[in-house]
Amino acid sequence: DQQVKQNSPSLSVQEGRISILNCDYTNSMFDYFLWYKKYPAEGPTFLISISSIKDKNEDGRFTVFLNKSAKHLSLHIVPSQPGDSAVYFCAASAPGYALNFGKGTSLLVTP
Amino acid sequence: DTGVSQNPRHKITKRGQNVTFRCDPISEHNRLYWYRQTLGQGPEFLTYFQNEAQLEKSRLLSDRFSAERPKGSFSTLEIQRTEQGDSAMYLCASSLILASGINEQFFGPGTRLTVL
Repeated sequence: DQQVKQNSPSLSVQEGRISILNCDYTNSMFDYFLWYKKYPAEGPTFLISISSIKDKNEDGRFTVFLNKSAKHLSLHIVPSQPGDSAVYFCAASAPGYALNFGKGTSLLVTP
Repeated sequence: DTGVSQNPRHKITKRGQNVTFRCDPISEHNRLYWYRQTLGQGPEFLTYFQNEAQLEKSRLLSDRFSAERPKGSFSTLEIQRTEQGDSAMYLCASSLILASGINEQFFGPGTRLTVL
């Protein structure tokens, strides 16, 4: 069963605009959430994380928002750049357990 | 230390053969994870080690799969009697588990296995 869901397989955004990638989870034990970026033929690269005691974490152009009551998190990229084009994976874990990944959202940032 | 490394990057084998992959984690990291990724899916957890102890195995890890981390440093993943369904990208990740529970995992480039 898929405990982490990314319901949008793809997203296209114009350069300079905001990209919003969404993720839903079902397991209420999850307390740590991460976003990874993946280029073809490479392993996932860690982007940003958030623990369940926070509702927002910011790192440069990347901000992750967590809504625990809705079991939903989102990644905002602003402004979007062509180099941001990649597959983005949402992941979540319960304390001491391995990561559960979504299926990914392919982001295309067009000039 | 430049990150997690995996060897080989690509492996093509015939069905029924055994294959072994190696992962060298970031040196100060105490946890090492193996994942498998197939087309259109996110990475799926296989197993993980804390130092040399294998602490958890996924139900995806059939008895044809075995992983070791003999000295708490590098790890190997062996697949015996490979099947076509084993074709996937095998990813290794490492992390330094902190008392706070923060567990940022850093991934290697993966080994792509093709079973003919």
